[in-house]
Amino acid sequence: GAGVSQTPSNKVTEKGKYVELRCDPISGHTALYWYRQSLGQGPEFLIYFQGTGAADDSGLPNDRFFAVRPEGSVSTLKIQRTERGDSAVYLCASSFGGGSYNEQFFGPGTRLTVL
Amino acid sequence: KNQVEQSPQSLIILEGKNCTLQCNYTVSPFSNLRWYKQDTGRGPVSLTIMTFSENTKSNGRYTATLDADTKQSSLHITASQLSDSASYICVVSAQSGTASKLTFGTGTRLQVTL
Repeated sequence: GAGVSQTPSNKVTEKGKYVELRCDPISGHTALYWYRQSLGQGPEFLIYFQGTGAADDSGLPNDRFFAVRPEGSVSTLKIQRTERGDSAVYLCASSFGGGSYNEQFFGPGTRLTVL
Repeated sequence: KNQVEQSPQSLIILEGKNCTLQCNYTVSPFSNLRWYKQDTGRGPVSLTIMTFSENTKSNGRYTATLDADTKQSSLHITASQLSDSASYICVVSAQSGTASKLTFGTGTRLQVTL
């Protein structure tokens, strides 16, 4: 079956621009997570959705970052006024439930480069 | 602050050899520990999961161990293959009523050569 997909795979933008990154989770997975991975580092948690609502957004670095999941499936991570420091791979993961024993399945990521 | 530290940072071994990767963590309250394999340009894929009461877990040529007292884990790879070249990330989950809060290590980059 289809795994987690993310689009675009690569995004190059200029400083100050607005970007949207899309995540299509595995069908039936109620939990969805966004992570950011800088070069040579492990992923860092950004936000967690259970259904349509953001259950935990404590990892969002500032108010330029926002994410939505209006119908409880596809999610969009939105970054306003991008900065060079936002350059990273943005990973999305989904799981059947939000419990700690539910395996998170990761997408291939979107590589964002801010020039 | 919850932390996961891994060593070595990188490792090069010959095909067919064994290797062991280390993970130390300070995550509380502990729920479970996973080892993920991340190929270049891909998302991480879970290899093993261990809870507090489990000392060892195998998945083919991968064997993970856990010492919850010393808060250490290891991943042993037997008879390495070229396809084992990847980053191996130790991920520890803290107990949470509503979410799986994961703390990721920085990974060990393994290169298997001929």
